[in-house]
Amino acid sequence: EAQVTQNPRYLITVTGKKLTVTCSQNMNHEYMSWYRQDPGLGLRQIYYSMNVEVTDKGDVPEGYKVSRKEKRNFPLILESPSPNQTSLYFCASLSGGNEQYFGPGTRLTVT
Amino acid sequence: SQQGEEDPQALSIQEGENATMNCSYKTSINNLQWYRQNSGRGLVHLILIRSNEREKHSGRLRVTLDTSKKSSSLLITASRAADTASYFCATDATRYNQGGKLIFGQGTELSVKP
Repeated sequence: EAQVTQNPRYLITVTGKKLTVTCSQNMNHEYMSWYRQDPGLGLRQIYYSMNVEVTDKGDVPEGYKVSRKEKRNFPLILESPSPNQTSLYFCASLSGGNEQYFGPGTRLTVT
Repeated sequence: SQQGEEDPQALSIQEGENATMNCSYKTSINNLQWYRQNSGRGLVHLILIRSNEREKHSGRLRVTLDTSKKSSSLLITASRAADTASYFCATDATRYNQGGKLIFGQGTELSVKP
């Protein structure tokens, strides 16, 4: 089954404790991206990757890092999380037909 | 950056009625897409309409695109309680149609009462 998976689905952590949210897709898509969703602000792109070893900033990249060492994986790294990074995070990959496949989401709370 | 703006923000209808949601955007686009999101879950792609298309159908969904007015509408006919969700439009305006970068609207919350 074609899918995008994210882990963990829920995470509560404390300010400053580094964390990684993993994302994996099994569709051999080249383009992947990370979004955050906040009430009243909608979905905003954090980072994207057009292929292995090619990443670029989206609209709200501050406080985040990404890497793309393999085509299927695109982890999101928060080196020093802060409470304003409490949000619902989605990973997505792009098909050849330009539709995005979204993961199930990771709800992150930073206290 | 451009943003899709959706109207209405919330819509409540009875089962069997039609639901219409509108989306406006600011700059030229390659395509416009509609997504559905059940509460707190991932978005699911519904339909994509390219900038040279004016109307597209998929099952009970009908999407129109008016590039001169920079607007789109999503019509769900004969709605069901299971259609209750948030609906988002997203525009792809990446240069050279590289695809991928979508700008999402705020969404319309649709509630279909049985």
